[in-house]
Amino acid sequence: QEQLQESGPGLVKPSETLSLTCAVSGGSITHYYWNWIRQPPGKGLEWIGFIHFIGSTNYSPSLKSRVTISMDTSNNQFSLKLSSVTAADTAVYYCARSDSGWYYFDYWGQGTLVTVSS
Amino acid sequence: DIQMTQSPSTLSASVGDRVTITCRVSQSINSLLAWYQQKPGQAPNLLIYKASNLESGVPSRFSGSGSGTEFTLTISSLQPDDFATYYCQQYNSYSTFGHGTKVEMK
Repeated sequence: QEQLQESGPGLVKPSETLSLTCAVSGGSITHYYWNWIRQPPGKGLEWIGFIHFIGSTNYSPSLKSRVTISMDTSNNQFSLKLSSVTAADTAVYYCARSDSGWYYFDYWGQGTLVTVSS
Repeated sequence: DIQMTQSPSTLSASVGDRVTITCRVSQSINSLLAWYQQKPGQAPNLLIYKASNLESGVPSRFSGSGSGTEFTLTISSLQPDDFATYYCQQYNSYSTFGHGTKVEMK
């Protein structure tokens, strides 16, 4: 059974780049699709994008200009970069697995809160 | 963009009640709809996929139905562990979530 664990700074300054990593254990990252999803405090869920090890990525149209998702197969992890952040990017960020590109999410990390503030 | 309308936003119920949550989408999604349960401080947990398929390990009191643009999640007999927030998600075109339904104790 796969386990996912997010890590990264909990505080990011406005206009800077948010960077998070998701470490995958219990299975190879070369299988499946790997997603980032976020949830502002007290609000609903927003899909950010996915990556597959063959190199394909897909991003939410609303975030596409600021998002990069990459993969590190040697360390079995994938990463999120979100540039030019504002307070509206404050959220719990989750990594999650899916069997295909646009798909449902069957394994999730516990989530990590990122606050954007000076 | 596919718009999701989930109702009600809050539902008050008692243990043993039959509970139904509705998710309406702005266009046909080929039944590519999932339901999740989320408890405070936890990640969402997959309950149902492709509108009516029960995820492994999920109690059979949960069921999903619907087609076209209207879908429902039903809990046949609400249990104490079921008080939580429920989200629908379409995955036909990109991925979009409903705004959630909080099931609270009456």
